[in-house]
Amino acid sequence: GENVEQHPSTLSVQEGDSAVIKCTYSDSASNYFPWYKQELGKRPQLIIDIRSNVGEKKDQRIAVTLNKTAKHFSLHITETQPEDSAVYFCAAIEGGNEKLTFGTGTRLTIIP
Amino acid sequence: EAQVTQNPRYLITVTGKKLTVTCSQNMNHEYMSWYRQDPGLGLRQIYYSMNVEVTDKGDVPEGYKVSRKEKRNFPLILESPSPNQTSLYFCASSFSSGSKHTFGSGTRLTVV
Repeated sequence: GENVEQHPSTLSVQEGDSAVIKCTYSDSASNYFPWYKQELGKRPQLIIDIRSNVGEKKDQRIAVTLNKTAKHFSLHITETQPEDSAVYFCAAIEGGNEKLTFGTGTRLTIIP
Repeated sequence: EAQVTQNPRYLITVTGKKLTVTCSQNMNHEYMSWYRQDPGLGLRQIYYSMNVEVTDKGDVPEGYKVSRKEKRNFPLILESPSPNQTSLYFCASSFSSGSKHTFGSGTRLTVV
């Protein structure tokens, strides 16, 4: 089955700097890669997603890049703000079935 | 308001006492799924359903059952709970596996 690895597990950045979280996946047939943000005590919420026919997608300060050859995708947050502090999860849909596999999460802390 | 409703929010039970966590969505979504969230392990899929009467195992199905008799409801059943099922559980729904998941508010289950 699909295996999604996420790094780093914790990340601290100064407010205003950029943050990058990386994920790798094992199934070359995977075709959908969402990113979820979970604030403390809250439910996960989708912040951005990308499909395998696209290499990059951007939404204001958030961007996701996908390298299908290397089987990895990354979340980029620019001009970080205190409200970006949360746990971020990447995920991948396993090719051939409908299972969604999540990474183990990255706790991002923005230092004021 | 479009939402996924889970009940109960908190539950403490004893080993072996059957319990059901309910999940209902009002968005006419076809895809529904259950996840458990444990520290350091991220979100792991328990079961998913692509439509009424269609269910399939996720990554950690042992000890759980589900049913999908109606499109809007997807209950999670623990026939004989054990302490290793103590966890935070999330239900989610979406139009398909490859689209935005809307998560419920979570159920924190403790099995003693």
